[in-house]
Amino acid sequence: DIQMTQSPSSLSASVGDRVTITCRASQTIRNYLNWYQQKPGKAPNVLIYAATSLQSGVPSRFSGSGSATDFTLTISSLQPQDFATYYCQQSYSLPYTFGQGTKLEIK
Amino acid sequence: EVQLVESGGGLVQPGGSLRLSCAASGFTFTSYWMHWVRQAPGKGLVWVSRIYGDGRRTAYADSVKGRFTISRDNAKKMLYLEMNSLRAEDTAVYYCARDSDTYGYSVLDYRGQGTLVTVSS
Repeated sequence: DIQMTQSPSSLSASVGDRVTITCRASQTIRNYLNWYQQKPGKAPNVLIYAATSLQSGVPSRFSGSGSATDFTLTISSLQPQDFATYYCQQSYSLPYTFGQGTKLEIK
Repeated sequence: EVQLVESGGGLVQPGGSLRLSCAASGFTFTSYWMHWVRQAPGKGLVWVSRIYGDGRRTAYADSVKGRFTISRDNAKKMLYLEMNSLRAEDTAVYYCARDSDTYGYSVLDYRGQGTLVTVSS
């Protein structure tokens, strides 16, 4: 199975900050990488697919980059509604595995 | 409007069985692969299973292979997860999710609100 490792596991930031979350795959996954946001008690929502493509309806302050094994999710200017947990997920090969999550908290 | 509504969760004893259901509406159900994803209390997301639109091909996580069975009834627009030989570690919120297959990329673009399965004596 492909292991997905996110860093950091948690992060404190302020409204307006630029934030970057990293995801590393244990082997190449080309660009088969999705990013999801999950708020407490809610189902996860997709933000980015194919490593860099913004899902319809997602604000442009979210962006993704990377390929092969190293990927990043960047939020250019944090908004109050962005405080949540973020997960990367590979869809290159079964089983589709998720990272352990990055909890973004208000500083 | 796309809607996915899970049901069937509850408390079950170790070794017991449960069948989860997911009612789909607002899209052409047969055209989409469907998935189950779970999340143990306070933990991260774990992919469980996938089924093709025609129901002919399925895939499972190793942790549930041989115990869980995914199926669908396209006429009723229903997705199912039959869970047998349940263990304490199967305790989780179970989400059904639609796979948008965007430009050949698997993307879980819609999910239900989840149904809680608790395995405990």
